Amino acid sequence: SQQGEEDPQALSIQEGENATMNCSYKTSINNLQWYRQNSGRGLVHLILIRSNEREKHSGRLRVTLDTSKKSSSLLITASRAADTASYFCATDGVNSGGSNYKLTFGKGTLLTVNP
Amino acid sequence: EADIYQTPRYLVIGTGKKITLECSQTMGHDKMYWYQQDPGMELHLIHYSYGVNSTEKGDLSSESTVSRIRTEHFPLTLESARPSHTSQYLCASSESGMGRGTQYFGPGTRLTVL
Repeated sequence: SQQGEEDPQALSIQEGENATMNCSYKTSINNLQWYRQNSGRGLVHLILIRSNEREKHSGRLRVTLDTSKKSSSLLITASRAADTASYFCATDGVNSGGSNYKLTFGKGTLLTVNP
Repeated sequence: EADIYQTPRYLVIGTGKKITLECSQTMGHDKMYWYQQDPGMELHLIHYSYGVNSTEKGDLSSESTVSRIRTEHFPLTLESARPSHTSQYLCASSESGMGRGTQYFGPGTRLTVL
């Protein structure tokens, strides 16, 4: 069953603007992760936020997690053309045999940053 | 860049051929995974391994098989390729231990079956 759902499916902005992407999930989690995928390539891990954390920063990235609403957001500030990519949230399920190794990915948000 | 490699990067073959997609990692990770991804779509887990001689089927049913004879190597085999197998296949690995859920991905193999 689909665990992570990103919103919007596609987002187009100008360089310098901020980009916000949202992710909703259905079941309890240990942590939530965000990944980036350039066209036709593998995924690159961006940031991991644990279920007991509410906000986390990494460079121009800010991630929030609201476990009561089962949702997360990824904010990219001062976007650059090089940020153009698909962004996926991934959740582990607490029911994954007690481990957090298996991830379920959403469909992703395609971000286009225009120069 | 993660130390995880996939070969070939691109493969175009005819129906009925047997193929093996290679995946190797040099990070010593116990956990390895295979995902299938159609263009613009989400990743679907098709196989995973928690260590040598351990393999499990993932959430998406797949006609492919995997083996894990060495920690660093996790090949995926299709005995008889069909056009429905056309997709991108992504290999990933992760460390053991709670809180170590980050997965490291290879560049992927784009498979086209004619």
